[in-house]
Amino acid sequence: SQKIEQNSEALNIQEGKTATLTCNYTNYSPAYLQWYRQDPGRGPVFLLLIRENEKEKRKERLKVTFDTTLKQSLFHITASQPADSATYLCALASWNTDKLIFGTGTRLQVFP
Amino acid sequence: NAGVMQNPRHLVRRRGQEARLRCSPMKGHSHVYWYRQLPEEGLKFMVYLQKENIIDESGMPKERFSAEFPKEGPSILRIQQVVRGDSAAYFCASSPDRSGLNYGYTFGSGTRLTVV
Repeated sequence: SQKIEQNSEALNIQEGKTATLTCNYTNYSPAYLQWYRQDPGRGPVFLLLIRENEKEKRKERLKVTFDTTLKQSLFHITASQPADSATYLCALASWNTDKLIFGTGTRLQVFP
Repeated sequence: NAGVMQNPRHLVRRRGQEARLRCSPMKGHSHVYWYRQLPEEGLKFMVYLQKENIIDESGMPKERFSAEFPKEGPSILRIQQVVRGDSAAYFCASSPDRSGLNYGYTFGSGTRLTVV
């Protein structure tokens, strides 16, 4: 069956370090992958999109990689800040579907 | 641009009542998606609509749930004869293209339904 897996355990890191979150998928051939941030009681907010033919995308302190051989995406936040504390969701879509399928998310806690 | 507007933010219904959740997409977005989220769980897809058409309702229970996106007015997610298991946060998202292909989804703040 199709699965999108993100670390269910919270990731705790110190301010200034790089946070790395993982998204693994099975039985998918995604056309593209997206990352979202969700704060408690709020809707997810779109951060970055990466296509199947792209290896890496950057936006300010964010970097996403996409390895279709390993079936994995890594999401990095450099120089992390306490304000980066949130749950981060990855989502996939295939060319033959009309919707995004979301992982369960990983909670990131950045402490001073 | 006010973004995606969902109302009400909180809705309490007794078992057996009907719940109507509204979603106004961003201006210029014709693709609307509804997701459900339980505590500590991910977003589960329910239905995808374009104006006046249901494109994909594969995630929506066959009974008691329905959705529409009329030519004029907001998209409505309707749950009839609610049960305790329907208690969840319901999120609406919109995009200007299919599956957020180029710009991702814009989500509303959600409606938190509590069935008592």
